[in-house]
Amino acid sequence: DGGITQSPKYLFRKEGQNVTLSCEQNLNHDAMYWYRQDPGQGLRLIYYSQIVNDFQKGDIAEGYSVSREKKESFPLTVTSAQKNPTAFYLCASSINQEPRRQPQHFGDGTRLSIL
Amino acid sequence: RKEVEQDPGPFNVPEGATVAFNCTYSNSASQSFFWYRQDCRKEPKLLMSVYSSGNEDGRFTAQLNRASQYISLLIRDSKLSDSATYLCVVPPRGSTLGRLYFGRGTQLTVWP
Repeated sequence: DGGITQSPKYLFRKEGQNVTLSCEQNLNHDAMYWYRQDPGQGLRLIYYSQIVNDFQKGDIAEGYSVSREKKESFPLTVTSAQKNPTAFYLCASSINQEPRRQPQHFGDGTRLSIL
Repeated sequence: RKEVEQDPGPFNVPEGATVAFNCTYSNSASQSFFWYRQDCRKEPKLLMSVYSSGNEDGRFTAQLNRASQYISLLIRDSKLSDSATYLCVVPPRGSTLGRLYFGRGTQLTVWP
């Protein structure tokens, strides 16, 4: 079945450590996105990519990095510079189409906590 | 003005009730709107897409009012399984290809 796979489901980070969250999709979507959701809050965009080898900062990119070397994959690294990383991280993908913008489809998320 | 604003609720309704949520948006040029459903500690899932005046899917109806810049979601004959948070989603102002803004959500609890 086509879909978006995020791993791991749960991740614990030690102070000063970088961790990488995986996101893979087999939907043949051009665009991919990373969001962060804190308890009781909405989704905030971290980074997004419209095409391979290109990505843009979202609203809260500081302390995070991404790469888009393959269409199917958009990993997110939470660096030690991100002082408050505990959150629910969601990866999404969509077809690129304008002006009728297409919906985004989500993976089932990664919960990151500080040890 | 925020890109999208929703009444956070919570809305608590009995089974069988009809409930409606409103959402206001700031991008007057937007042509695409979406409602997502998010269960506790789960990912958001697409409920409905709205590209014109409205859309109906079974017990769910979404309506768009461009003049007043709001969209609504109506749920008829509420079921216990409808309990969730409903997110209103719109494109932002400007030509930021692909981006969508997610509202904070309206929490619904349906009780027996």
